[in-house]
Amino acid sequence: AQSVTQPDIHITVSEGASLELRCNYSYGATPYLFWYVQSPGQGLQLLLKYFSGDTLVQGIKGFEAEFKRSQSSFNLRKPSVHWSDAAEYFCAVGAKSSGDKLTFGTGTRLAVRP
Amino acid sequence: KAGVTQTPRYLIKTRGQQVTLSCSPISGHRSVSWYQQTPGQGLQFLFEYFSETQRNKGNFPGRFSGRQFSNSRSEMNVSTLELGDSALYLCASRGAAGITDTQYFGPGTRLTVL
Repeated sequence: AQSVTQPDIHITVSEGASLELRCNYSYGATPYLFWYVQSPGQGLQLLLKYFSGDTLVQGIKGFEAEFKRSQSSFNLRKPSVHWSDAAEYFCAVGAKSSGDKLTFGTGTRLAVRP
Repeated sequence: KAGVTQTPRYLIKTRGQQVTLSCSPISGHRSVSWYQQTPGQGLQFLFEYFSETQRNKGNFPGRFSGRQFSNSRSEMNVSTLELGDSALYLCASRGAAGITDTQYFGPGTRLTVL
């Protein structure tokens, strides 16, 4: 069965600082990997996804993520955080063998210090 | 294009009652998935419907059921409500029947069981 671990429950960074959110997955074959963001009272918005090819993927709002098969990781990064980035971030994994359903991590809540 | 809409946005019920939640997918989308989000368990997959057929199901008791109509609108029903059913229920739609298509989430229905 596939699983996702987000080891950081809560992270606080200063506005303008760089950000890295960690995600580790467990899956036998090449997974489909996603990062979503959820603002308070909102649904989830897709930031970026990885299926195959270039291991560094660019997403919306200046986010990027790097797939590292050897480390089973798919960490999310942003070079300079804005106050509006404060939200909860979810990493998810899916696979056709599991019927296309997504398995989500427990999320990382990001606070941005002015 | 209008996004995924969910009604009602907020709901308060008492134990033992039943509830029906509604989801209207993005126009043209034929796949609808439901997720339950709680602080303790995070985001958990309930089920997915495609062209009125349940394609995949998560590990939830039979009290949780759903259906999809010919216009792709979907409903989920929870019977004999328990306190633990209090959660944000998220609906998501996507166009093609596959994980490579972006899944768009609605704002959710907040269910409180007293």
